[in-house]
Amino acid sequence: RKEVEQDPGPFNVPEGATVAFNCTYSNSASQSFFWYRQDCRKEPKLLMSVYSSGNEDGRFTAQLNRASQYISLLIRDSKLSDSATYLCVVNPLTGGFKTIFGAGTRLFVKA
Amino acid sequence: DAGVTQSPTHLIKTRGQQVTLRCSPKSGHDTVSWYQQALGQGPQFIFQYYEEEERQRGNFPDRFSGHQYPNYSSELNVNALLLGDSALYLCASSLGKVNEKLFFGSGTQLSVL
Repeated sequence: RKEVEQDPGPFNVPEGATVAFNCTYSNSASQSFFWYRQDCRKEPKLLMSVYSSGNEDGRFTAQLNRASQYISLLIRDSKLSDSATYLCVVNPLTGGFKTIFGAGTRLFVKA
Repeated sequence: DAGVTQSPTHLIKTRGQQVTLRCSPKSGHDTVSWYQQALGQGPQFIFQYYEEEERQRGNFPDRFSGHQYPNYSSELNVNALLLGDSALYLCASSLGKVNEKLFFGSGTQLSVL
């Protein structure tokens, strides 16, 4: 089993749609969680941290479920500019400093 | 405020050769991590440098080695290149002992022929 697994893509949605991505992690001792965004042939950029109580940043909402070991990202009112790959990222406590990335979920938002 | 810079941006090598990639961290950051990203995959952790020491390593062979200098800049060296080493190599910087938010450079695209 992979340490971090994401929904296989791609997701094709129209502008204005709501889309959700899920991610599961295998290490129950994992400490911190993030979503990164990566545009084609570019470097990953931090989108948002994920907190236990859930958190929101504009149209983006992140949730963490420690009991089920999954993380979600919800994007509301999708824009063309949201088209990218979204990477789920986990810092395992017992793994020390090794940040683990999922394979990513590709999103295409169409006009 | 200078972000993470990597050089070169592209590199073509042949099997068996050696390569050195360079990274300067974001201003104020003291920790550098290196990642390998194959096409269609997420970044894979190679190793991390802090206080000029390798403090954690991923599942990569000894052909992959690195160094960190007193000014926090870092190098990634790969010896005896294989075709499978072709990938985007990303450098990420962060601050301090806690491995929190990573800031990435734009990467070096390595092609091994």
